Amino acid sequence: SLELTQPSAVSVSPGQTARITCSGDALLNLYTYWYQQKPGQAPILLIYKDVQRPSGIPERFSGSTSGTTATLTISGVRAEDEADYYCQLADSSGIYVFGTGTTVSVL
Amino acid sequence: QVQLEESGGGVVQPGTSLRLSCAASGFILRDYAIHWVRQAPGKGLEWVTVISYDGSNKKYAEFVKGRFTISRDNTNNTVDLLLTSLRLEDTALYYCVRRPQAYGLDVWGRGTMVTVSS
Repeated sequence: SLELTQPSAVSVSPGQTARITCSGDALLNLYTYWYQQKPGQAPILLIYKDVQRPSGIPERFSGSTSGTTATLTISGVRAEDEADYYCQLADSSGIYVFGTGTTVSVL
Repeated sequence: QVQLEESGGGVVQPGTSLRLSCAASGFILRDYAIHWVRQAPGKGLEWVTVISYDGSNKKYAEFVKGRFTISRDNTNNTVDLLLTSLRLEDTALYYCVRRPQAYGLDVWGRGTMVTVSS
């Protein structure tokens, strides 16, 4: 099934590393995409095809996958990284699904 | 400047219809698939539908159940989303989003709010 599960919240101190997981059986064979959404703003694309970073996205954002779990890692977290993060996939028929979303709090 | 702008949102009663429109500027719309993604107040992102670059292929989320129809006019650089049989649970901010081939959803509009209320 096309369900993606994320932790509802992650807390991290400035300068530390935040890891956000996205789990789902479909991730075994499909690419994962990651988006960041700050309050009152539209989402922005952070990672595409599991590990690729669009131009303009800081290097501290990285993606990885292992089996049925994808992970977004934010290294050296900054206060400005406080936001909601969503994973997303598209199946072979063109149906998209978003993960449940994770709120990252920078303490 | 590359951007998408949604319009057509409003407050409507259950069972009625609404047509949303997405206008593109700064790029050639016909080169891209266009998606609609919605977000209910205080909730997460929910994918709604996609139309291929030439309009020949359309996909819908299961919850749509034949109530929504996506279309495009590449001559006028617009994509429409017709919402019918609206339900209370369709209340959301509806985003129009661009997707280049083999890429993610890279350009998002600011959204247009649809409120279904009796």
